[in-house]
Amino acid sequence: GAGVSQTPSNKVTEKGKYVELRCDPISGHTALYWYRQSLGQGPEFLIYFQGTGAADDSGLPNDRFFAVRPEGSVSTLKIQRTERGDSAVYLCASSPGSGETQYFGPGTRLLVL
Amino acid sequence: SQQGEEDPQALSIQEGENATMNCSYKTSINNLQWYRQNSGRGLVHLILIRSNEREKHSGRLRVTLDTSKKSSSLLITASRAADTASYFCATGYNYGQNFVFGPGTRLSVLP
Repeated sequence: GAGVSQTPSNKVTEKGKYVELRCDPISGHTALYWYRQSLGQGPEFLIYFQGTGAADDSGLPNDRFFAVRPEGSVSTLKIQRTERGDSAVYLCASSPGSGETQYFGPGTRLLVL
Repeated sequence: SQQGEEDPQALSIQEGENATMNCSYKTSINNLQWYRQNSGRGLVHLILIRSNEREKHSGRLRVTLDTSKKSSSLLITASRAADTASYFCATGYNYGQNFVFGPGTRLSVLP
């Protein structure tokens, strides 16, 4: 079956612009996670959804970052007024349920100029 | 910080040798996962070990967990050049919430 997919694979934007990153989890997976990874570092947790609701958004760095999962499947990570420091690979993962194996997508590489 | 720390940061071995990577953490966990990441690509799940388990195997991989020492190890036996990658441990503190990744161990397997 299909794995986790993320679009776009690469995004280049200018400082101050708004971007949306999309994640399509594995069908039937109720849990969805967003991470951010900088070069040479491990993934940094951003937010976790169980179903439609954000169960833990403690990793979002500030209020410019927001994520939704309105129907409990596809999720969108939204970044307002992008800054150069937002440049990173944004990873999405899904799992069948809480505390189970996470399956990662290929990531979206965001570059803010 | 709850972050797990892998050790060593980098490891270089010859093909056929065994590779051992360690992960230490600071507070009690529910489970711990090991992942592999090839350069510029997504993370691949290797093994999940729960806090009430001490050892798990998967092919050439062996993971141990010592909750008294708050540490885990990943052993790759008979390494291959294709095992060259970064390896991360991720610790789960509450079911389904906030998995914390360490900075990773960069493994190079030389032919």
